[in-house]
Amino acid sequence: EDQVTQSPEALRLQEGESSSLNCSYTVSGLRGLFWYRQDPGKGPEFLFTLYSAGEEKEKERLKATLTKKESFLHITAPKPEDSATYLCAVRGTTQGGSEKLVFGKGTKLTVNP
Amino acid sequence: GAVVSQHPSRVICKSGTSVKIECRSLDFQATTMFWYRQFPKQSLMLMATSNEGSKATYEQGVEKDKFLINHASLTLSTLTVTSAHPEDSSFYICSARDYWTGGRGFDTQYFGPGTRLTVL
Repeated sequence: EDQVTQSPEALRLQEGESSSLNCSYTVSGLRGLFWYRQDPGKGPEFLFTLYSAGEEKEKERLKATLTKKESFLHITAPKPEDSATYLCAVRGTTQGGSEKLVFGKGTKLTVNP
Repeated sequence: GAVVSQHPSRVICKSGTSVKIECRSLDFQATTMFWYRQFPKQSLMLMATSNEGSKATYEQGVEKDKFLINHASLTLSTLTVTSAHPEDSSFYICSARDYWTGGRGFDTQYFGPGTRLTVL
């Protein structure tokens, strides 16, 4: 069974204080690892898809990396507007051809000015 | 990035009535769409997967006769909550998969803004 564990559950940073969020996963045949940002009362906003170990992607202050067991979302010099819940999900190769994403519980990031 | 819209964004209804929620992929065709439910301060709970032109696949514990899903075209899926009751009050979010297997391929899943359902 595919599993995703995110840590920490919550993270408080000062503006400009860089840090990383962790996503550990077990999956049968990784077809993609996804990062999303979710603000309260809104649907998740797509950030990145990573497909294979060693891959990296960047967007503004965010950088996502992938190994065979985990992914990191690095946040460089965060601003208060980066405050949100960050979700990690994987799509694996399952019996029966299920296409669903398996989500972690998320990391709630708060960036104080 | 691609856009997925949902309508309505908020609905209040009386117990026993049915409510339909529409989900549209605005600038891509989505063979596969997903419907999620989210309770306060919890992660997304997948309710069902729908493929265009075929019956939806429901997750264990989700009543298919209560949550009717129709994926009639490559850009539209609808969720109908039949005979809604207060316990059906929740935040419902749809998602559409945009992927290509040719060449280097890509796989992205975009989410709608969500629909807040309140059943009185």
